[in-house]
Amino acid sequence: NAGVTQTPKFRVLKTGQSMTLLCAQDMNHEYMYWYRQDPGMGLRLIHYSVGEGTTAKGEVPDGYNVSRLKKQNFLLGLESAAPSQTSVYFCASSSGTAYGYTFGSGTRLTVV
Amino acid sequence: KQEVTQIPAALSVPEGENLVLNCSFTDSAIYNLQWFRQDPGKGLTSLLLIQSSQREQTSGRLNASLDKSSGRSTLYIAASQPGDSATYLCASGGLISSGSARQLTFGSGTQLTVLP
Repeated sequence: NAGVTQTPKFRVLKTGQSMTLLCAQDMNHEYMYWYRQDPGMGLRLIHYSVGEGTTAKGEVPDGYNVSRLKKQNFLLGLESAAPSQTSVYFCASSSGTAYGYTFGSGTRLTVV
Repeated sequence: KQEVTQIPAALSVPEGENLVLNCSFTDSAIYNLQWFRQDPGKGLTSLLLIQSSQREQTSGRLNASLDKSSGRSTLYIAASQPGDSATYLCASGGLISSGSARQLTFGSGTQLTVLP
């Protein structure tokens, strides 16, 4: 089925560890986004990409890095995880300003 | 900076009722507005997308309206069912303040419970 796939679905990290979250879309969308969802704060934009090879900062980029080496993939990296990064992470894609977003099912990350 | 507010935060209704969920936004310079449904522990499912030039969109028992001038959108659910129980999120599509791309700004959601 066409859509946005996120891996892994769950992960527990120790403080200071690193990890990469993978987002893959098969809809040939140019735009891809990483959001985090926290209770009482809604979804907030971390980083985004407007096309292969491009990345840019969103609202809450500190502590995260991203890469978009292939159009279909958008990776979110945590170099040194902190408890404040405990959250649910969502990836989304869109084909342009006139179109809606398609979201993945999320990655639940706990940093202890 | 765009701010999106959803009222009420929670709503409980008996099955069969028609209901309205409200969404307001502070900056009327939006490209579109999108309504999502989120079930507990799950991702976001897109329900309706309204472009800035449109007044409303309909899908089955759902109808969403948009009034840009007043900064408001409503989601109308007809003949509610227990399966409609979920959190409903609205999000305005506008320019990212730090760049030229578009982003969604989300409200905190309305948690709906439909009682059998």
